[in-house]
Amino acid sequence: DQQVKQNSPSLSVQEGRISILNCDYTNSMFDYFLWYKKYPAEGPTFLISISSIKDKNEDGRFTVFLNKSAKHLSLHIVPSQPGDSAVYFCAASAASGTYKYIFGTGTRLKVLA
Amino acid sequence: SQTIHQWPATLVQPVGSPLSLECTVEGTSNPNLYWYRQAAGRGLQLLFYSVGIGQISSEVPQNLSASRPQDRQFILSSKKLLLSDSGFYLCAWSPAGRSGYTFGSGTRLTVV
Repeated sequence: DQQVKQNSPSLSVQEGRISILNCDYTNSMFDYFLWYKKYPAEGPTFLISISSIKDKNEDGRFTVFLNKSAKHLSLHIVPSQPGDSAVYFCAASAASGTYKYIFGTGTRLKVLA
Repeated sequence: SQTIHQWPATLVQPVGSPLSLECTVEGTSNPNLYWYRQAAGRGLQLLFYSVGIGQISSEVPQNLSASRPQDRQFILSSKKLLLSDSGFYLCAWSPAGRSGYTFGSGTRLTVV
């Protein structure tokens, strides 16, 4: 059972426009969420996080929104740049001794120049 | 500063051969350590995690095993590789407590 889902495998956006990447989860115990960016043949790099006590977190061009009632989070990138082209993973964890993260299947973003 | 090293970067192995992938972390102590796999067209699947020396938890039944012989060393092994073991293997670490991961650069394993 996939507890973290990214239903859009790919997304294309024009440079300068907004990119919106979506993520849904099923486990109501999840209370901390991360977004990672991954280039081919490299390890993922951390982008932004959000705790369930917040509904929004912003870092430069990246904003993450959390809707707990809908069990949905989204990553907004404004403005999108060609260097943002990568695979984006959302990840969720529940408060526990290990804080292990469950990752979604990823969304491939292509920003067109 | 903390760094994570993972090797080799690429590996081609025949079916039935053994496997050993190594991951080490520098600049921290008592990290949580993780092995993930990204199979072709799929997300990141957690394989093993460890909260201390000799403490290994397995997330999915499979042909692989993990060991943590030292505080900052995490090893992924197999006695006999299967074709289905092909994928991109990622080691990650996090501090004890709630924090995100830092990933290594990954190992592309192709079983032929």
